[in-house]
Amino acid sequence: DGGITQSPKYLFRKEGQNVTLSCEQNLNHDAMYWYRQDPGQGLRLIYYSQIVNDFQKGDIAEGYSVSREKKESFPLTVTSAQKNPTAFYLCASWGGREQYFGPGTRLTVT
Amino acid sequence: AQKITQTQPGMFVQEKEAVTLDCTYDTSDQSYGLFWYKQPSSGEMIFLIYQGSYDEQNATEGRYSLNFQKARKSANLVISASQLGDSAMYFCAMRVRENYGGATNKLIFGTGTLLAVQP
Repeated sequence: DGGITQSPKYLFRKEGQNVTLSCEQNLNHDAMYWYRQDPGQGLRLIYYSQIVNDFQKGDIAEGYSVSREKKESFPLTVTSAQKNPTAFYLCASWGGREQYFGPGTRLTVT
Repeated sequence: AQKITQTQPGMFVQEKEAVTLDCTYDTSDQSYGLFWYKQPSSGEMIFLIYQGSYDEQNATEGRYSLNFQKARKSANLVISASQLGDSAMYFCAMRVRENYGGATNKLIFGTGTLLAVQP
């Protein structure tokens, strides 16, 4: 089945540690995206990438970093510089007229 | 500025009744797209319906229809015959294009409406 996978579903980290969230797609889509969602809020764009080895900052990129070494993969690193990293993170790709989403990773930092 | 506004933080509806979720948008682009997504408590984002700015007919997908009023810049979602499984968060979103690596699509989301369907 084609789709987007994110692992793990739940992730716990101590404050001060970097953590990398994985995102893999087998939809052969060029464009991939990372969003952050806080409780009761909409989705906010962190980073996006149209092609391999290139990516652009979204609206809330501070404290995050990404890489795009392969078309299928777009991992997101939440660095210790991110002041409020606890959130729900959604990876997405664009195909045809719509955006496809992964199941999300819920990150808790204590 | 390009923006999506959803003014209803929460809504209640009786099972089997219809409900309208409001969405207004702001853009100066002539070409744009409007989407509705459903997010159940599991967190997944489920695509419901799409309306292009040049589409003259309102979009429909099963029990979902989009009431598109271009002059008023509104794109309300109508759910007919509500079911208990419709209880979820609903997001309105607008596709905008940027010239980056070719034309890149981005979605701007509203803050969502939490719908509760009562038996």
